Amino acid sequence: DAMVIQNPRYQVTQFGKPVTLSCSQTLNHNVMYWYQQKSSQAPKLLFHYYDKDFNNEADTPDNFQSRRPNTSFCFLDIRSPGLGDAAMYLCATSRDKGLGETQYFGPGTRLLVL
Amino acid sequence: AQKITQTQPGMFVQEKEAVTLDCTYDTSDPSYGLFWYKQPSSGEMIFLIYQGSYDQQNATEGRYSLNFQKARKSANLVISASQLGDSAMYFCAMREGVTNAGKSTFGDGTTLTVKP
Repeated sequence: DAMVIQNPRYQVTQFGKPVTLSCSQTLNHNVMYWYQQKSSQAPKLLFHYYDKDFNNEADTPDNFQSRRPNTSFCFLDIRSPGLGDAAMYLCATSRDKGLGETQYFGPGTRLLVL
Repeated sequence: AQKITQTQPGMFVQEKEAVTLDCTYDTSDPSYGLFWYKQPSSGEMIFLIYQGSYDQQNATEGRYSLNFQKARKSANLVISASQLGDSAMYFCAMREGVTNAGKSTFGDGTTLTVKP
């Protein structure tokens, strides 16, 4: 009964080679988030979708893009990964954007850039 | 200034004892929500407990309780009767206001180790 699924769990890519991480949810939640988490650090929000409305964080590099083709799926595209992009990428969902809305996280994709 | 501060990078606790993980926050918004998440070594963030700024009582969920002191802007997590499976990283997070409610700000986390 997995609720937020991320594939793959581990991704190895080469410096500069585009890579796509995927997230799917069975919760039918309106909001989907992508976070970047480097080792032993706080998760950093990259962007989120409220339904089809895309919200980019001001300090998210242009190298990072996202797509949400439907309610269930959301993709993170890294156009030209650098060594500094190696991190855990967490996808999360919430039913809505209210203060008390719990975020449900997927297991994450660990990205390694060679 | 950091919005969420967790001053304990690492904590140790003996199995079956209680432990308190500290979290202080900074906001001028009267409406906010505070969350605690657990992140085991596998990576998945697991929601533990929520406290709203207008909630009169401290939140409790099983062995987890939140010691909410609004005037001090602190929201400490108390884990009672620690178990070996509680060893993980714990994050405090905050959402502010209505327009900003889509985004959570996380603290740097506390690594908890439960000793047998």
